[in-house]
Amino acid sequence: DAGVIQSPRHEVTEMGQEVTLRCKPISGHDYLFWYRQTMMRGLELLIYFNNNVPIDDSGMPEDRFSAKMPNASFSTLKIQPSEPRDSAVYFCASSSINTEAFFGQGTRLTVV
Amino acid sequence: AQSVTQLGSHVSVSEGALVLLRCNYSSSVPPYLFWYVQYPNQGLQLLLKYTTGATLVKGINGFEAEFKKSETSFHLTKPSAHMSDAAEYFCAALGNDYKLSFGAGTTVTVRA
Repeated sequence: DAGVIQSPRHEVTEMGQEVTLRCKPISGHDYLFWYRQTMMRGLELLIYFNNNVPIDDSGMPEDRFSAKMPNASFSTLKIQPSEPRDSAVYFCASSSINTEAFFGQGTRLTVV
Repeated sequence: AQSVTQLGSHVSVSEGALVLLRCNYSSSVPPYLFWYVQYPNQGLQLLLKYTTGATLVKGINGFEAEFKKSETSFHLTKPSAHMSDAAEYFCAALGNDYKLSFGAGTTVTVRA
């Protein structure tokens, strides 16, 4: 397996634009996590899914953020409209029950 | 939900010296515990994990950690630091809600 795949690796966008981050989890994993990493706040859990169903989205900072998992092999995190304070590295991770999470390489988002 | 506390945001050690990174968790039920390492511009990579059984867990790159229920701790050690150990280290806990929570991270620098 190629591991957790995130795209794009880097994204630069202007304030107010819509941004979509993509994640392909490891095949067979039934949990998917989205994290945001910044210098100020460290690693924050935004939302996680179990069997494609959102379980806890309490970490999503605002209504501008939304996440979907239409099937077991794909998830998106969307920010609309984007703001400079959304600049961060966004990680996707997947796991099976009671196992460690495997992380993607992350998407570095810069909103100017 | 789990709470994970890492004592010390920065640790500096000499090459060949002991590395000790501290982690405490808060839970009435022992969670599954993990240590991850992050190199610059990389995702998180699992160092080791504790689920059940032996409380002394050995991981990759010569690291080990000991689960101490009485102290709610899961400290990470390596007897002899190498320059390649310079990175950021994260302690994480997986609770009964399957939410993976991370500590704030500890940056390790290794002096020649």
